[in-house]
Amino acid sequence: QITLKESGPTLVKPTQTLTLTCTFSGFSLTSAGVGVGWIRQPPGKALEWLGHIFWNDNERYSPSLKSRLTITKGTSKNQVLLTMTSVVPADTATYYCARFDGYTTSWSFDLWGQGTLVTVSS
Amino acid sequence: DIQMTQSPSSLSASVGDTVIITCRASQDISNGLAWYQQKPGKPPMRLIFAVSDLDSGVPSRFSGSGTGTEFALSISSLQPEDFATYYCLQHNYPPWVFGQGTRVDVK
Repeated sequence: QITLKESGPTLVKPTQTLTLTCTFSGFSLTSAGVGVGWIRQPPGKALEWLGHIFWNDNERYSPSLKSRLTITKGTSKNQVLLTMTSVVPADTATYYCARFDGYTTSWSFDLWGQGTLVTVSS
Repeated sequence: DIQMTQSPSSLSASVGDTVIITCRASQDISNGLAWYQQKPGKPPMRLIFAVSDLDSGVPSRFSGSGTGTEFALSISSLQPEDFATYYCLQHNYPPWVFGQGTRVDVK
């Protein structure tokens, strides 16, 4: 059974750095074709793709956020980290991690975590 | 970057209706198109990948079609559990892009 779960702070002050962790099980991020990505959704708004990391450590980022985002594999083999610098209130959203397996099904996210709501406020 | 235009932004329908939601890409994205359903307070669930392949466990009343730049999600014989918001996702070229969403509610 594949599961993903996001964790991190629920409240962050403006200008601070946000770090979220995606802890997953049931698959390996070292398998060719596998990737883990981050998506966010401001309250009442649409989904926004932030970026993802591939099994081979290649990364892709949203151009509008690229200067503020870093996605890395954690020291634990079953974790992926999202780091966002200089947060502003507009970064308030539910943040999801999700995985894809391009060589088995599709290069689209097939399984998602439950999401974690992050509020940016002083 | 590729732009995705999803329409309509919302629609009202009745149980038993057939609903069609479209996504238009600003350039050819081949078969790099997926559809998701999201219910309030829940993460999105993928329904369809590669334009028309149904995910395991998804009812056959859901279908996807299209090619190149024009894509559609059809829901035939709408059921009560289908009232939700639907999103397309372009993943053929980076950056990946979600459509703006279509909310399907009860007429």
